[in-house]
Parts: sequence; structure tokens; C-alpha cells
Amino acid sequence: GNSVTQMEGPVTLSEEAFLTINCTYTATGYPSLFWYVQYPGEGLQLLLKATKADDKGSNKGFEATYRKETTSFHLEKGSVQVSDSAVYFCALSDPVRGNEKLTFGTGTRLTIIP
Amino acid sequence: AAGVIQSPRHLIKEKRETATLKCYPIPRHDTVYWYQQGPGQDPQFLISFYEKMQSDKGSIPDRFSAQQFSDYHSELNMSSLELGDSALYFCASSQDYPSTDTQYFGPGTRLTVL
Repeated sequence: GNSVTQMEGPVTLSEEAFLTINCTYTATGYPSLFWYVQYPGEGLQLLLKATKADDKGSNKGFEATYRKETTSFHLEKGSVQVSDSAVYFCALSDPVRGNEKLTFGTGTRLTIIP
Repeated sequence: AAGVIQSPRHLIKEKRETATLKCYPIPRHDTVYWYQQGPGQDPQFLISFYEKMQSDKGSIPDRFSAQQFSDYHSELNMSSLELGDSALYFCASSQDYPSTDTQYFGPGTRLTVL
């Protein structure tokens, strides 16, 4: 079955530091890959996505590239801000009708210190 | 832009009681997904509906049932509640059959079972 392995947290960085959160996946088909962010007390917000190999998703300074050869979708940001403090979930879905449920990683709690 | 609406936002129940959670998808979205997120856990898929028919089923207890109505809203019915059912319940919606699209999440219903 499908699975997502995500970098263990929590991660604490200083403001303007470089961020990488690792994510690797196992899937039988050709999944779509996502990063969702959950701010304290809130729901899940889509941060970015990629639907095929070598696609790069980007949003709000965050980027992730769909690497089929390494089955990875690592999240990066060049300069983090305090407002980026949240829990980040890597997820995949199988684009076959009836099987599009999202499979999530365990989440990485990110704290940015001023 | 319209988002996924969930009600109620918070619910407190006693053990063995029943609860009904409601989800109103984004207009023109035809697919609804339910997820359960325990404290400090990643969201786990429960069940999904496409065009009012169940399309996929995950780790949903037999005590739970759900349906999608003609106006595409969905309800998750939970009976004989247990302490372990305390969690955040998310609804997500998507569009565009046959190709999968991104799932957009509601703010969640926080269920507390006492």
C-alpha cells in the first residue's frame, strides 16, 4: 500500500534560516504529492502540490520537487519567518477514481525563533 | 472564495451518546472525504463519497456511518461514542472526475467524549 515517511520533528530554527523537511514515499502507481500546513488550532491548508515526476510545486517561498528516482518530495524554504511556525504534513494521493484518499506523513512541527 | 464548511466546530458528548457532524463542500465539488485526527497524530482517512455514492472506505469503525445528500453535503453519524473517539474530524472536498483534484479541507469539528 501507499505510505509516506516524513522527517521527525520538532524542528526549531532561527528566523531567516534555511529550511528542509524531508519526505519520501512508497506508492504502487503514480501518485500526486502534497504539502499541507496546519497552524495552531486551525485546519489543514494546502501549501503546494506536484502531480508528476520533475514537477516543482511552490507557494509563499516554499518549494518541493517531485523526484521519482528517489521517491522524494522534500520541502524547502530559503529564509523562514516566525509566521511559518506550524505543523507540516507531506501527503500523497493515488489519482485512480475511488482511491484518491490522502495518505499523510506523521507531520513535522516547525518553530521559528525571532 | 467559498470554503468547506463544517458544523458544529466543537462538540462535547458523553460516552455511549451519538453525534452527527455535518460538512458542506465547496460549490460544484462532487467528492467529500472524512478524516480523523487524534491528538498529535496525522489525519487518518475514514470514508469518501462521489456523487452521493460511497467511493472508498478506510479505518472507519462500524459504529460510524456517513452519507452524501442530493445537495452534496455530507453527514458523519457516530454512535455509542467512546473516549477514544475524541479527535478533530476534518471534511475535505474535491472536484473533477475522472482526474483527481486537490482536496480542500474544512476547519474541522473538535469532538470531545467525556
